[in-house]
Amino acid sequence: EPEVTQTPSHQVTQMGQEVILRCVPISNHLYFYWYRQILGQKVEFLVSFYNNEISEKSEIFDDQFSVERPDGSNFTLKIRSTKLEDSAMYFCASSGANIQYFGAGTRLSVL
Amino acid sequence: GDSVTQMEGPVTLSEEAFLTINCTYTATGYPSLFWYVQYPGEGLQLLLKATKADDKGSNKGFEATYRKETTSFHLEKGSVQVSDSAVYFCALDDNTSGTYKYIFGTGTRLKVLA
Repeated sequence: EPEVTQTPSHQVTQMGQEVILRCVPISNHLYFYWYRQILGQKVEFLVSFYNNEISEKSEIFDDQFSVERPDGSNFTLKIRSTKLEDSAMYFCASSGANIQYFGAGTRLSVL
Repeated sequence: GDSVTQMEGPVTLSEEAFLTINCTYTATGYPSLFWYVQYPGEGLQLLLKATKADDKGSNKGFEATYRKETTSFHLEKGSVQVSDSAVYFCALDDNTSGTYKYIFGTGTRLKVLA
């Protein structure tokens, strides 16, 4: 069964460093999303991406964040200068209709 | 904006007990409703969904009915197993901006004891 894959599963970084979280969505899907879950809190929407551009972003998704689909298969989330409060689980999702399929997540730890 | 409220966990049950996890929502439109499950170390997996009022979603013995009058989508299972131990998330899709982004509840951890 097709699945969304995310790498790495765990990323440890120093505050102020740039990180790139990678996702390979399901191949025939057209809509792509990033969500995050701070430990013990809700899963929160960050950004949606369609037709090679951001279709919606939340207040969390400030200038430190960017997304890219550099080729036909990858979908990346970049955090330019990480802060302690960026520590969270980041989930990628893709959909072809209104059901989203999620990856296993990348746990980002900012020290 | 739209929101989802789930009962606080953790919920601890004995095997074969009846399970209910409450979920209520507020929405301006007519969202689809979902239950996702997260097993340890894995991603969010769709458990069941309902797209309109009075629809019942069901899968693996779990059921939930879309109740517009009470704005609820409670998850039920008649007889839980140890393998059902996981975190359960209620969600709706918000299309007010045309993106169908999901709004999630906080998640409810279920622990089933043998």
